Amino acid sequence: QSVLTQPPSVSGAPGQRVTISCTGSSSNIGTGYDVHWYQQLPGTAPKLLIYANTNRPSGVPDRFSGSKSGTSASLAITGLQAEDEADYYCQSYDNSLSGNWVFGGGTKLTVL
Amino acid sequence: QVQLQESGPGLVKPSETLSLTCTVSGGYVNNYYWSWIRQPPGKGLEWIGYIYYSGSTTYNPSLKSRVTISLDTSKNQFSLKLSSVTAADTAVYYCARRTSNSASFPFDPWGQGTLVTVSS
Repeated sequence: QSVLTQPPSVSGAPGQRVTISCTGSSSNIGTGYDVHWYQQLPGTAPKLLIYANTNRPSGVPDRFSGSKSGTSASLAITGLQAEDEADYYCQSYDNSLSGNWVFGGGTKLTVL
Repeated sequence: QVQLQESGPGLVKPSETLSLTCTVSGGYVNNYYWSWIRQPPGKGLEWIGYIYYSGSTTYNPSLKSRVTISLDTSKNQFSLKLSSVTAADTAVYYCARRTSNSASFPFDPWGQGTLVTVSS
């Protein structure tokens, strides 16, 4: 069981908007530690999508955005495209004995 | 642009030691934090540990008793050793870099990953 909780799956039609939640606790996101998001296309390594809650690395389309509030964070994807179909992982730091750098369990995005 | 490449045996016998190396190209290992992360087939990501260029290490408490990460600055490489492996250690193993130890800095970039299967 992951320290950060994500829905196992979300789906949306092309052009729609979807959000993926990442719920933590007072020992990680709730303490103020930043949240990062990664996109993992099938058969490839994870790639940084959003860093420090809201920032996009160069080359990442502005269709992807992140937010954080309290003990949770969210990734929003607008104007869904077929190429967005992938697994998405949130990641943060945990100051308990859970293992320092922690990931969510991942969310499979299906573009209908 | 920095690139990372994992290498090592794809098959390890139960109770033996898994050994992997990550080679850094396009940059140097100095002044960065170098991590190992794994992903069992069909499952999520698990951080294993990291090493700073000074040689200091931090490991996931759940794996700490079996993990050793080391650094070879002359070869621009860092390595992972995981002892007493079982089938539960079967996974794709990734190496990744962090620019700072602050929580504000993500894992970026990542290597392409290498599958290690534990089986007799």
